Order: sequence, then structure tokens, then C-alpha cells
Amino acid sequence: KNQVEQSPQSLIILEGKNCTLQCNYTVSPFSNLRWYKQDTGRGPVSLTIMTFSENTKSNGRYTATLDADTKQSSLHITASQLSDSASYICVVSANDYKLSFGAGTTVTVRA
Amino acid sequence: KAGVTQTPRYLIKTRGQQVTLSCSPISGHRSVSWYQQTPGQGLQFLFEYFSETQRNKGNFPGRFSGRQFSNSRSEMNVSTLELGDSALYLCASSPAGLGWDEQFFGPGTRLTVL
Repeated sequence: KNQVEQSPQSLIILEGKNCTLQCNYTVSPFSNLRWYKQDTGRGPVSLTIMTFSENTKSNGRYTATLDADTKQSSLHITASQLSDSASYICVVSANDYKLSFGAGTTVTVRA
Repeated sequence: KAGVTQTPRYLIKTRGQQVTLSCSPISGHRSVSWYQQTPGQGLQFLFEYFSETQRNKGNFPGRFSGRQFSNSRSEMNVSTLELGDSALYLCASSPAGLGWDEQFFGPGTRLTVL
């Protein structure tokens, strides 16, 4: 069964600090992995999409890594801002076009 | 370019009623997917439509149905509403489908079943 597990479930960080979110998956055959940011009451917004051959991709202060061998990905947030407070969802796509969603990590940035 | 729009944004219904939600994709996008999001279950895939045909389907009961029109606009219908159907319903559009394309989500419809 294709599964995506994210950790931690939630975290609180001080403004200006860095944090790293984890995503482990068992989806096979693997097509691509996406990270989404979802603000409260809004739809998710794509941060990065990585295929098998990519192991790092950045979008501003967000950097995603992918290790396709160990089936792990991480999302690193640098110099966090209050606007980074959101839920971050890891989504893995299989070759049959089906998506598997993680439960998300809720990040709270405090001043 | 206008984003994905969903109507209505908020809806309150009672058990046993039915509801229809609407989604207008980004112009030129032919694939529309629907998701249910609840605090306990996260995002769950309902179904995907491409060129007016249902191409993929999640594990939801037959009370959940959808359709897509020739202009790619899509509707989702839930019949005989249950309390557990209270959720945020999101639709997402992409140029050609789930696997390779980036999906763009709408703001969602918040459905409350009383």
C-alpha cells in the first residue's frame, strides 16, 4: 500500500530560526514528490516538485531534498517568518498518476 | 491568469440533504481533481476528471459523484449527507493530469452538515 508519513505532526519555532520537516514514503513506482504549503482556510500552494533524478530544489527560503534510495524527503525552512505559519503537506505521485498525501506538519512561528 | 475558483465558499446543510459544489479551473487546464480535507484524515482524493471523463477515483462511497463539462468546469455532488461529510472540499486543476503536472488548488468550499 502506498503511504506517505510526515514528521513531526507539529512544531513551534521562534521567528528567524530554521526548521526541517520530514517525509518518508513507500510509494512505488515513484514519479515525483511535491511539497505544498497550506495557510489556514486556504487551498494548498505548491512549493517544490522533484523527480527521481533531482535531490535538491529551492524556492526562496524553502529547500527540499530527496533521497530516492531511502525514500525520504525533507523540507528546510530558513530564517523563518511569521508568514511561514502553515501546514506543510508532502505528496508523492506514482507512475499511474495517483497521488498519496501525507497528513501534514503544522508549523507555528512565534515572534 | 485567473486562479481556480470554487463556489460557494461556505455551505451549511442538514443530514439527508444533498449538495452540489462547483469548480472552475484555470483557463486551458483540462484536468480537475476533487479532495476532501478533514482535521483527522488530512487530504483525501475523491476523483479526477479529464476531458469530461472520470479518469481516477478514490475510495469514497457512491454518494459522492461528479461531472465535468465541455468547458472543463466541474461539479461535485454529495447525496444523503451525513455528519461525517463536514469538511473542506478542495478542487485542483492541472493542464493534463495528476502525475506530471503541477496542480493548482482553489480556496475550497467549507461544508458543515448539521
